Amino acid sequence: GAVVSQHPSWVICKSGTSVKIECRSLDFQATTMFWYRQFPKQSLMLMATSNEGSKATYEQGVEKDKFLINHASLTLSTLTVTSAHPEDSSFYICSATTEQGARGSYGYTFGSGTRLTVV
Amino acid sequence: RKEVEQDPGPFNVPEGATVAFNCTYSNSASQSFFWYRQDCRKEPKLLMSVYSSGNEDGRFTAQLNRASQYISLLIRDSKLSDSATYLCVVNEYSSYKLIFGSGTRLLVRP
Repeated sequence: GAVVSQHPSWVICKSGTSVKIECRSLDFQATTMFWYRQFPKQSLMLMATSNEGSKATYEQGVEKDKFLINHASLTLSTLTVTSAHPEDSSFYICSATTEQGARGSYGYTFGSGTRLTVV
Repeated sequence: RKEVEQDPGPFNVPEGATVAFNCTYSNSASQSFFWYRQDCRKEPKLLMSVYSSGNEDGRFTAQLNRASQYISLLIRDSKLSDSATYLCVVNEYSSYKLIFGSGTRLLVRP
């Protein structure tokens, strides 16, 4: 089946530094990538939607200058948390789909998530 | 008002019990509905889609009531391995977004 590889699985960084998270679709071309954030005991909150080759669409309340999303190819999307602070510590998960997959309702593949801790 | 609402639980049940989870959604234009399962510190995994006619997959039965904007999941003969958080998910067809509920935590005890 479809696989999305997400790296790193966990990262600890110092406050003020930037962290890049990668998601790669291994055996399909992901036309759309979603980035979610999940705080402890809360659900996944959609941060942004990115389509290959175009700018990401951010959800209300998500700072686009802080969470930089790049979807330069059909198999790779990155999320960079810039100038990270302790309140950015969270579980970040990507989800990839194709138009056909999304319409068919089965075509969402999740990465394994990245646990970010900012100290 | 949240787009997708669930009772957070936890539901603490003995093995073999039957347990039901409910979910409501606010966007009447929503097209597709799912139940996902999430284990601690893991990514969510699709449990089953939910159809208007109701559908069953082994011990799991899902129901959708579009008029009431209500979704349910029934788990029969609970197993210890069913312990997880169950997420009600709605798809916005026009944008392909998946909107997650806050999840209902299930604990199945021996």
